[in-house]
Amino acid sequence: NAGVTQTPKFQVLKTGQSMTLQCAQDMNHEYMSWYRQDPGMGLRLIHYSVGAGITDQGEVPNGYNVSRSTTEDFPLRLLSAAPSQTSVYFCASSYSNSGNTIYFGEGSWLTVV
Amino acid sequence: AQRVTQPEKLLSVFKGAPVELKCNYSYSGSPELFWYVQYSRQRLQLLLRHISRESIKGFTADLNKGETSFHLKKPFAQEEDSAMYYCALKSGYNKLIFGAGTRLAVHP
Repeated sequence: NAGVTQTPKFQVLKTGQSMTLQCAQDMNHEYMSWYRQDPGMGLRLIHYSVGAGITDQGEVPNGYNVSRSTTEDFPLRLLSAAPSQTSVYFCASSYSNSGNTIYFGEGSWLTVV
Repeated sequence: AQRVTQPEKLLSVFKGAPVELKCNYSYSGSPELFWYVQYSRQRLQLLLRHISRESIKGFTADLNKGETSFHLKKPFAQEEDSAMYYCALKSGYNKLIFGAGTRLAVHP
């Protein structure tokens, strides 16, 4: 019972490098999203998707790109990493109906030096 | 503006003491509120949702629309309750607005 799977769990990047955080879910959820978690700020929504081929911006989208080519996968791309993107990233998914539980991945710890 | 406020960054209690984690919200419509818990370096897990009116691990939370609050309570804290607790408000289509979180530390 995999649920929401994120890789990598830990990553160190140099400023200016690009990378992709992977997220996959095996629950056939339509809705997927990415949050970043920073001390004293809780979790903030970066991007979300309501289904394959559909994505939209959340609260803090700058510097990040997403795509949703399949229902299962929702990768998050950092185009040119900056120290301000040092954070813990969580992927989440749920069925589209309101009231359904939102499930989170285990998190990806990213440090940009 | 839609907002969730958790005024305490840290709540430190002794085992067996009552616990109340505060959460206030600002939302123009009918709110849907949740409490999530995050144990050390683990994923967020749903603890409670207000529409279920349930008790999980001894925790309860009541929505008070007059005071716009959704405080989390437990009568007798246990050491295993030590964790980060986030109050969250559902905004629109399955999007969550989180508070800053409160770290609960239960001492023996």
